[in-house]
Amino acid sequence: KAGVTQTPRYLIKTRGQQVTLSCSPISGHRSVSWYQQTPGQGLQFLFEYFSETQRNKGNFPGRFSGRQFSNSRSEMNVSTLELGDSALYLCASSMGPSPTEAFFGQGTRLTVV
Amino acid sequence: QQQVKQSPQSLIVQKGGISIINCAYENTAFDYFPWYQQFPGKGPALLIAIRPDVSEKKEGRFTISFNKSAKQFSLHIMDSQPGDSATYFCAASALLTERFSGGYNKLIFGAGTRLAVHP
Repeated sequence: KAGVTQTPRYLIKTRGQQVTLSCSPISGHRSVSWYQQTPGQGLQFLFEYFSETQRNKGNFPGRFSGRQFSNSRSEMNVSTLELGDSALYLCASSMGPSPTEAFFGQGTRLTVV
Repeated sequence: QQQVKQSPQSLIVQKGGISIINCAYENTAFDYFPWYQQFPGKGPALLIAIRPDVSEKKEGRFTISFNKSAKQFSLHIMDSQPGDSATYFCAASALLTERFSGGYNKLIFGAGTRLAVHP
C-alpha cells in the first residue's frame, strides 16, 4: 500500500511569489491535514479537509489556503511568500473523520529567498 | 489551553538503557494521544497511541503511560538502541462535535525531544 506522497520535495521561491504544494493521501483515506514545521515553532496545524470540506483551520494568515479534490488529493497554496514561510510543509492522511491514526508524507521543503 | 508541553528538550541515553519522555496537557477534551518519531529529512512516523480509557499501552519496546488525573502521559523506550536516535513528538487531539458528528483530525504537537542513544 503506497504511503502519503507529497510533491515537490524541494522548492526555492522568491519573496512575493506564490507556491502550490500537492499531497496524495493513502488510498481510501478521506481526511488530509497540513502542518508547517520550523525549528522555532515546531509542528503547527494549518488546516484539515474531509470530503472536500475544510473542517478546521489553524492560526495562519489568509495567504495560506488549501483545497481537496473528489479523489481526496489535496493542494495547499501560499501567496505573497515571505522569508518566514520557509519551512517543511507536511501532509497527513487519515481514514477519517474522527481523530485516528494520521500518516505523514516526507514533506515539501520550501525555501523563500 | 491548547498546548502540549513536552520534556526534556534533549536526551542522551546509553545503549540498553531506558529513554523516558514526558508530556503534559491542559485541555480535558483531548481524547487521543499519539507519539511520533522523526528522522532527519523524513516526515513524522506514528509510533504508538493511546486513548484515555487505558492507563498503559505497550508495543514492543515502546510503552505509553497515561495519567488522566494529572493530565500527563509519557513514552518509555526500553532497551534503547542507536537506531532509536531521532526526534520524538507527543501530540494530542480532541473530538470536536460542534458541527460534525465525526469530529476533527487536528493534532496539537509538543515541541519535540531529540534522543541520542550512544553505543
